[in-house]
Amino acid sequence: RKEVEQDPGPFNVPEGATVAFNCTYSNSASQSFFWYRQDCRKEPKLLMSVYSSGNEDGRFTAQLNRASQYISLLIRDSKLSDSATYLCVLMDTGRRALTFGSGTRLQVQP
Amino acid sequence: ETGVTQSPTHLIKTRGQQVTLRCSSQSGHNTVSWYQQALGQGPQFIFQYYREEENGRGNFPPRFSGLQFPNYSSELNVNALELDDSALYLCASSSGPTGDNSPLHFGNGTRLTVT
Repeated sequence: RKEVEQDPGPFNVPEGATVAFNCTYSNSASQSFFWYRQDCRKEPKLLMSVYSSGNEDGRFTAQLNRASQYISLLIRDSKLSDSATYLCVLMDTGRRALTFGSGTRLQVQP
Repeated sequence: ETGVTQSPTHLIKTRGQQVTLRCSSQSGHNTVSWYQQALGQGPQFIFQYYREEENGRGNFPPRFSGLQFPNYSSELNVNALELDDSALYLCASSSGPTGDNSPLHFGNGTRLTVT
């Protein structure tokens, strides 16, 4: 079983739509959680950290459920520029490494 | 502020050869991590260097090795290349070891093709 599981998509949504991605993880020792965004053939870039209480950054809302080992990302009012692959990422302090999911591809259409 | 730079951007090698990839960390950063990203997959952790010492390693064989220099730039060396080593190799720098919440800044990557 992979440490981080994501639906690969693609999610094809119209501009203005609300879309949600989920991610499950298996390592209960994971201590920090993030969403990264990766454009085609580019490097990953940090989108936002994920906190237990949930957090929001503009149109983006992230949630963490430690009991169910589940993370989500909600994007409201989708823009064409949101088209990218969204990577669910967790950090295990003991291994000093980030563990990435395989990503969920989002395509926002006009 | 200079970002993370990697060289070369693209490379084609033959199975069995050796390759060296280079990374210059962002100004003020003392930690470099290397990741391998195969097509359609997320990046996989190879290892991390902090102040010139290996500070953590993922599940990669010993033919993957690295160095960090006094100016905190780094090299990734891969010996005895295999076809499955074809991937995007990403370098990321941070102001401290992963685990102290220092965000990672990734370079553009080196795309390695092994034929």
